[in-house]
Amino acid sequence: DSGVTQTPKHLITATGQRVTLRCSPRSGDLSVYWYQQSLDQGLQFLIQYYNGEERAKGNILERFSAQQFPDLHSELNLSSLELGDSALYFCASSVEGAIGGTDTQYFGPGTRLTVL
Amino acid sequence: SQKIEQNSEALNIQEGKTATLTCNYTNYSPAYLQWYRQDPGRGPVFLLLIRENEKEKRKERLKVTFDTTLKQSLFHITASQPADSATYLCARGGSQGNLIFGKGTKLSVKP
Repeated sequence: DSGVTQTPKHLITATGQRVTLRCSPRSGDLSVYWYQQSLDQGLQFLIQYYNGEERAKGNILERFSAQQFPDLHSELNLSSLELGDSALYFCASSVEGAIGGTDTQYFGPGTRLTVL
Repeated sequence: SQKIEQNSEALNIQEGKTATLTCNYTNYSPAYLQWYRQDPGRGPVFLLLIRENEKEKRKERLKVTFDTTLKQSLFHITASQPADSATYLCARGGSQGNLIFGKGTKLSVKP
């Protein structure tokens, strides 16, 4: 058990809909990362938050957004869903996530999103 | 572009043998590399980190090497067991504290 929790575990929805994925980091970790994993693309970095502020952006679509709240939990919002958004979405946390740092990232169990 | 590549998608070996997985990088020099294990449908789990000034790092049956001349890291599992079957991911640091992952190598250890 990594200490990172994600809800829900599974989500099935229709194209055009909007969903929210939730992540609670390990106690004491200030950085939260979101990744998307599909069969053909591997683990793709989406976005990072550090202590409530956006720190880094990866391959995140404009239809996707995220935020980190004062209690450090984070939510990833996916809107106008398309079939291709079906994937596993992982949240990870680390102590700092500093630039050039070597933080280990602790991953949650993931949310499996299926768009029909 | 700055790539990190795991050339083998899959590796099949016999129990008791040493598994060797490869991670190559091009067009940059990472200060460190991390290795993670991922079981099907689960999140990756951190295994080892090796810095560029370290030739080798060990943890129980695991060993990682970092060759800056060859721009390559090798990940070894000695005395492999069926329970070692999983996908192993190599990762480098991104420009802002994030990690960039390779696509992984799926290891199958047959009894």
